Amino acid sequence: DTGVSQDPRHKITKRGQNVTFRCDPISEHNRLYWYRQTLGQGPEFLTYFQNEAQLEKSRLLSDRFSAERPKGSFSTLEIQRTEQGDSAMYLCASSTGTDFIATNEKLFFGSGTQLSVL
Amino acid sequence: QQPVQSPQAVILREGEDAVINCSSSKALYSVHWYRQKHGEAPVFLMILLKGGEQKGHDKISASFNEKKQQSSLYLTASQLSYSGTYFCGTETRGTYKYIFGTGTRLKVLA
Repeated sequence: DTGVSQDPRHKITKRGQNVTFRCDPISEHNRLYWYRQTLGQGPEFLTYFQNEAQLEKSRLLSDRFSAERPKGSFSTLEIQRTEQGDSAMYLCASSTGTDFIATNEKLFFGSGTQLSVL
Repeated sequence: QQPVQSPQAVILREGEDAVINCSSSKALYSVHWYRQKHGEAPVFLMILLKGGEQKGHDKISASFNEKKQQSSLYLTASQLSYSGTYFCGTETRGTYKYIFGTGTRLKVLA
C-alpha cells in the first residue's frame, strides 16, 4: 500500500493554457474522487468514478473540465483554457466500497496538485 | 448544500476540551470526520454509520444524531498535535457525491 499519489505537486500556468493532472489511487481501490480546494475552504466535490465509469459529475465541472479513468486504474483531470479562478489545490481520493451507494469506507487522499494560473 | 460546521474557528490551550458540530439540511446516513493540517491532505479520523452511534479513540470521539441530522466531534484534553482544520464528510443519498462540511479551524496553544 503506497498511498494515493498525485502528479505534479505544483503547476504554474498562464491563463488560456491547458493543464492535466494525474492521480494514482491505492491499488484495487475501486472508487476514485476528485475535489477542488481553495484556501480556508473545504474540499469541493468535482467528480466520482467507480472503476472506469464516471458516475457523478458536479455542475461545477464545466465543459472546460474533463476527467477520465481508463481501465479503472489511474485517473486524469484536464482543465482546458485555464482561468485565474481555477487556481486551487486539486485533490484526489480513493476508497474501497462494497455498498454500491453508501460510502462506508474511509477516503484516502493524495497530497494534491497546487495549480496557479497567472 | 454542504453541511455547516460550528464553530468556524476555535483557539484552545493544551489540555482544554472542544466540541465541533456538523449540521446538515438533508438526511445524514453516514458521517466521516477528517483533520487537515496546513499544506497537507485530509486524514481520516473516524466514521459513524448509524444514527446514535458514538465512537472514539484516544481522546477524540464523535456522536451521530440521525434525527437531528447532526454529528459532533469531541476533543478531550487537547494536544498541540490536534491543531488543524476539521471537516465532516457525508454522502448525498441518491447520488454518488461525497461532500465535506464548511470546516472548523482549531489551534491549540502551549
